[in-house]
Amino acid sequence: GAVVSQHPSWVICKSGTSVKIECRSLDFQATTMFWYRQFPKQSLMLMATSNEGSKATYEQGVEKDKFLINHASLTLSTLTVTSAHPEDSSFYICSARDPNGGGNQPQHFGDGTRLSIL
Amino acid sequence: DAKTTQPPSMDCAEGRAANLPCNHSTISGNEYVYWYRQIHSQGPQYIIHGLKNNETNEMASLIITEDRKSSTLILPHATLRDTAVYYCIVRVADNAGNMLTFGGGTRLMVKP
Repeated sequence: GAVVSQHPSWVICKSGTSVKIECRSLDFQATTMFWYRQFPKQSLMLMATSNEGSKATYEQGVEKDKFLINHASLTLSTLTVTSAHPEDSSFYICSARDPNGGGNQPQHFGDGTRLSIL
Repeated sequence: DAKTTQPPSMDCAEGRAANLPCNHSTISGNEYVYWYRQIHSQGPQYIIHGLKNNETNEMASLIITEDRKSSTLILPHATLRDTAVYYCIVRVADNAGNMLTFGGGTRLMVKP
C-alpha cells in the first residue's frame, strides 16, 4: 500500500538554527503533499499545501518566510523551519495521496517529526 | 466540508467490540466518510472510508446510516494497541489533492 516516509523523526537543536524535514512518497508519485503541525494535546492543524513545481500554499497565520517548503520532485517535499525558536517546538507531520485509483483514495501520513528547540 | 461531531473519549474492554460514533448531519451527497487514528507520538493511520455502503477491511468495519447523517466505526475485538485518538473526517473526493480537516476526535482507551 501507499507509504509516506518522514525524516528525521526527532530533532533537538538550539534556538536560531534552521531545521529541514523531509517527506517522501515511497511507492507513488505525489504532485501535492500537505504539512501539518500538532501541539501537545491538540489536533492536527494544516500549515501548508506543497505543490510539485510551484509555490506552496500557506494557511492563514503561517509565515511563509519562516516555514520554507520545497517540492522539487514528485516524491519529495521538504519543510525548513528557519531561525527556529522555542515556540516552534511541535510535532510536524506530512501527508500525501496516491492519485492512482480514483479521487476518493485516502491520504497517507508520515510518522511525524518531533522538533524541540532549546 | 461537512462538520463532524464525536464524543471526546470512550473506554472499551480488551477483546470486546469498540463502537465509535460520528455525527455528520450536514454531509453532502458527494462527501465520503474517512476514519483515521493516531497512536501517541505517531502520524495518523488510515483505517477505512465509505460513501454510503457499509465497508469492512482487515482493521475495522464502517457502518453508515441510510440517511448518511451518522456513522459508526467498529473495531470487532479491541486490543490494547488500539488505544488511540480516532478521527472521523468528511471530505469530497477529488483529484486535486484533498487535504483533511481534523476535529478533536475520540480518545479510545482500551483497558485490560
